Amino acid sequence: DTEVTQTPKHLVMGMTNKKSLKCEQHMGHRAMYWYKQKAKKPPELMFVYSYEKLSINESVPSRFSPECPNSSLLNLHLHALQPEDSALYLCASSQEDRGSETQYFGPGTRLLVL
Amino acid sequence: GQQLNQSPQSMFIQEGEDVSMNCTSSSIFNTWLWYKQDPGEGPVLLIALYKAGELTSNGRLTAQFGITRKDSFLNISASIPSDVGIYFCAGRDSGAGSYQLTFGKGTKLSVIP
Repeated sequence: DTEVTQTPKHLVMGMTNKKSLKCEQHMGHRAMYWYKQKAKKPPELMFVYSYEKLSINESVPSRFSPECPNSSLLNLHLHALQPEDSALYLCASSQEDRGSETQYFGPGTRLLVL
Repeated sequence: GQQLNQSPQSMFIQEGEDVSMNCTSSSIFNTWLWYKQDPGEGPVLLIALYKAGELTSNGRLTAQFGITRKDSFLNISASIPSDVGIYFCAGRDSGAGSYQLTFGKGTKLSVIP
């Protein structure tokens, strides 16, 4: 089983709203990722959690706040977003040994900020 | 940051034809991955390559890790309409952190029935 699940599938929010994206995996992977993907572009790395600790933050604005409650769950809290933040947000996970580069992606959350 | 050159950018082919796409890098990569992405969905892993020279097949798909460790190709044989999508190569630069993949810009494949 190489399944990463994400909820919601679609999200529309205003610039003053607070919302959260959720990601879950049960493959025993200890690294989890958030990516942002604009149309016709490759995914761009935002955050990496390793063993439930934030290990990489790619200079992402503070209006995006990640959280890793446990090894299977990853959240992305959204607050005061801008219209240019509209994109497909992808979660991924990987193992912590040889082959750790192999990341498995979820289906994504399509976010529209009005 | 490091970028991969993926080509072609797009291709239109007739159903039943074979397809080839490739990625090249100016630096040495330790891993090459090939993903397929359908519109509005997340990338799906097709093939993972970990050793220089490695040739791996997955059904009608074949991918190779270049011997110089600076390139990889993906071939699709006897294309069918469901092969339509965007194919991304991705890899880890030998000088990069463990979690950081570099992605190509994608090859958009269209299959004409």
